[in-house]
Amino acid sequence: GENVEQHPSTLSVQEGDSAVIKCTYSDSASNYFPWYKQELGKRPQLIIDIRSNVGEKKDQRIAVTLNKTAKHFSLHITETQPEDSAVYFCAASGGANNLFFGTGTRLTVIP
Amino acid sequence: GAVVSQHPSWVICKSGTSVKIECRSLDFQATTMFWYRQFPKQSLMLMATSNEGSKATYEQGVEKDKFLINHASLTLSTLTVTSAHPEDSSFYICSALLVYNEQFFGPGTRLTVL
Repeated sequence: GENVEQHPSTLSVQEGDSAVIKCTYSDSASNYFPWYKQELGKRPQLIIDIRSNVGEKKDQRIAVTLNKTAKHFSLHITETQPEDSAVYFCAASGGANNLFFGTGTRLTVIP
Repeated sequence: GAVVSQHPSWVICKSGTSVKIECRSLDFQATTMFWYRQFPKQSLMLMATSNEGSKATYEQGVEKDKFLINHASLTLSTLTVTSAHPEDSSFYICSALLVYNEQFFGPGTRLTVL
């Protein structure tokens, strides 16, 4: 099955700086890569996703890059704000529509 | 659109009892729903895939006789934790598949077994 690794597990940045979270996956058949933000006790919220037919996608301060050859994808948050503080999960999905999650990154934005 | 609800949001039960959790897609039909379990400070782990009108597909290591899944309609899937024990205490989250790969998550159910 799919194995998704995520780094770092914790990340602290100053407000206004950028944050980068990286994930790798093992199954070359995976073709959908969403990123979720989860606050304590709440459901995961989709913040951005990318499919295997593109290499980069951007939505305001958030961008995701995908390197299918190397089987890794990254989340980039620019101009971070305190409200960006949360746990972020990457995930990978293939033909069976199952989502396999990374281990999560706790992002803290220091005002 | 694409709203998924779960009920109850939290439940406390005694060891040995059974607990049923409902997952509903409110504004779309979902032939496929998923059940996840999340322990504190850990990731979401897929427990099973629930398909309307057929048996659920369980992930390796998940006891199908302990975690009963029923997907009787296109908008409702239920997870029953049978003979619950304290180690079953967790945050259970369902999701519904809307279009290819895209899942929408319910708000989760926090189960505490005393």
